[in-house]
Amino acid sequence: GDSVTQMEGPVTLSEEAFLTINCTYTATGYPSLFWYVQYPGEGLQLLLKATKADDKGSNKGFEATYRKETTSFHLEKGSVQVSDSAVYFCALRGGLIQGAQKLVFGQGTRLTINP
Amino acid sequence: DVKVTQSSRYLVKRTGEKVFLECVQDMDHENMFWYRQDPGLGLRLIYFSYDVKMKEKGDIPEGYSVSREKKERFSLILESASTNQTSMYLCASSLAGINEKLFFGSGTQLSVL
Repeated sequence: GDSVTQMEGPVTLSEEAFLTINCTYTATGYPSLFWYVQYPGEGLQLLLKATKADDKGSNKGFEATYRKETTSFHLEKGSVQVSDSAVYFCALRGGLIQGAQKLVFGQGTRLTINP
Repeated sequence: DVKVTQSSRYLVKRTGEKVFLECVQDMDHENMFWYRQDPGLGLRLIYFSYDVKMKEKGDIPEGYSVSREKKERFSLILESASTNQTSMYLCASSLAGINEKLFFGSGTQLSVL
């Protein structure tokens, strides 16, 4: 079945460092891909998405490119801030059932940014 | 802004108790979801509903049931709670359609003793 694998956490960086969180997927067909973020004490929020190969999703300085040849959707940011500390989830849309999107999530990567 | 509200932030129950987790959304969304979140496993779908009184099993429905009597409210029921159901439970909602994003509540941390 469909699955998503993220790099093991936790990840700790200093402010202004470059961030990469790796995400690879297994799926039939051409799924849409997502990054969700969960700040402490809050629910998940959509950070960015890409719906077809070579699409680049971007938001709040974060970027991810849908690479079909490597089945990857790595999250990057050029200069992280303390406020980026959160748990990041990669996800794919595993199908549409009765009009409802069925998302398959990775295990999450906890990111801590030190000042 | 869409608001998805879960009734309790923390809940402690005993083994064998019947447990109700409530979720309410205020944006007239057709779809509602229950996930559980466990360290190292990410989010796993328990059940979802695409309309009032309509439901579909997710990936891990065993030991759970759901109820959706009104469009805005989706309840998760643990008929007889067990310790392996200790987890963070997240509710989400969305409009119907292929590109509609999910909006999540802030979660209920359930401990079953």
